[in-house]
Amino acid sequence: DARVTQTPRHKVTEMGQEVTMRCQPILGHNTVFWYRQTMMQGLELLAYFRNRAPLDDSGMPKDRFSAEMPDATLATLKIQPSEPRDSAVYFCASGSPIEPRDRGTEAFFGQGTRLTVV
Amino acid sequence: GQQLNQSPQSMFIQEGEDVSMNCTSSSIFNTWLWYKQDPGEGPVLLIALYKAGELTSNGRLTAQFGITRKDSFLNISASIPSDVGIYFCAGQRWAGTSYGKLTFGQGTILTVHP
Repeated sequence: DARVTQTPRHKVTEMGQEVTMRCQPILGHNTVFWYRQTMMQGLELLAYFRNRAPLDDSGMPKDRFSAEMPDATLATLKIQPSEPRDSAVYFCASGSPIEPRDRGTEAFFGQGTRLTVV
Repeated sequence: GQQLNQSPQSMFIQEGEDVSMNCTSSSIFNTWLWYKQDPGEGPVLLIALYKAGELTSNGRLTAQFGITRKDSFLNISASIPSDVGIYFCAGQRWAGTSYGKLTFGQGTILTVHP
């Protein structure tokens, strides 16, 4: 049963600490999305990658957030330093272009990392 | 940027009733997706739409891609208690600098009373 795996599921950290969230996309998927979900803002796109290259990270605060794909099986989202306003659920999703290739990409979500910064 | 307006924000219905929700955008999308999210879980894909005017069903769910490519709706027929959750629309463009960018609506919270 192919699924997107995110770790950790929950993280509580103190303000100022570095937080790293990891995502293992579904094998064979070449597109990875990072979203942040809060009650106020809903699902916000932070960044997305295709074939490990960043396509758009305009939704991400550049001064403290960074997203990378060290290889095709791992995507990371780091926050340094973390702040209380970063508390949210962070989702990773993966997908591949639908054939024929002009149909976009369906995205399949992981279970999320619930981050609490105190 | 691209904005999706999803309505209604919430719905309270009786079991057995039909439900309808929709999304509108100021921009054209090439693909519309509908997701459902249960508490503590990630969104799960329900239906994907690829062509303007397309009408697609998945069990009791039916979704349509608007002719103008700026809107989509989702209908749920004969609702049951397990339909409870948050429903999201998402639009995607696969042209230009936003290729593949997936933008979500604000969600519709559905409550079904037995």
